[in-house]
Amino acid sequence: NAGVTQTPKFRVLKTGQSMTLLCAQDMNHEYMYWYRQDPGMGLRLIHYSVGEGTTAKGEVPDGYNVSRLKKQNFLLGLESAAPSQTSVYFCASSRPIGQVNQPQHFGDGTRLSIL
Amino acid sequence: GEDVEQSLFLSVREGDSSVINCTYTDSSSTYLYWYKQEPGAGLQLLTYIFSNMDMKQDQRLTVLLNKKDKHLSLRIADTQTGDSAIYFCAEIGDTGRRALTFGSGTRLQVQP
Repeated sequence: NAGVTQTPKFRVLKTGQSMTLLCAQDMNHEYMYWYRQDPGMGLRLIHYSVGEGTTAKGEVPDGYNVSRLKKQNFLLGLESAAPSQTSVYFCASSRPIGQVNQPQHFGDGTRLSIL
Repeated sequence: GEDVEQSLFLSVREGDSSVINCTYTDSSSTYLYWYKQEPGAGLQLLTYIFSNMDMKQDQRLTVLLNKKDKHLSLRIADTQTGDSAIYFCAEIGDTGRRALTFGSGTRLQVQP
């Protein structure tokens, strides 16, 4: 019952460093998402993917890149980390929206601090 | 764009009922969801309601939807200390957007 797994769980970076957050799901879901959660602001969509090899921008995509080379994995990259990217990052997956109700399943989050 | 709003904080006594409210602007909303987030954890789906329904009950949870006023509420009966968490309202419409729009969350504090 792994569901959605995010690695790492915690990370501290220096400004300008790069890193990749990994999200893996074992539910054969088509859709995958990356959100960031900041205090008092709920979850904001960074990027999402509706299938292997496809990605699209969400609400706050600047400073991030993503890749979906395999259906089960969705990677979020920070090329040059900035303090404003200090946040908790959540990955989610779902079956295609609109067929029947298909809620999003969330990982436990990655806590990222940029110094 | 779409917007979802919630009050920030609610405090109740153990055993009382809790009512968490949410308003949204997307008139094309098809599904509305309630998620629960405990400290240090991800979001857990509690319940959902389809837009052609007025009410849905699931054990201690009752969801009410007023589509005319674009108002959604979550009632938790016999609230327990284990219900203390942040509750997020979220919606998705049929505008072609493929992801949920979340409210900022309501922190529920249950006092013994």
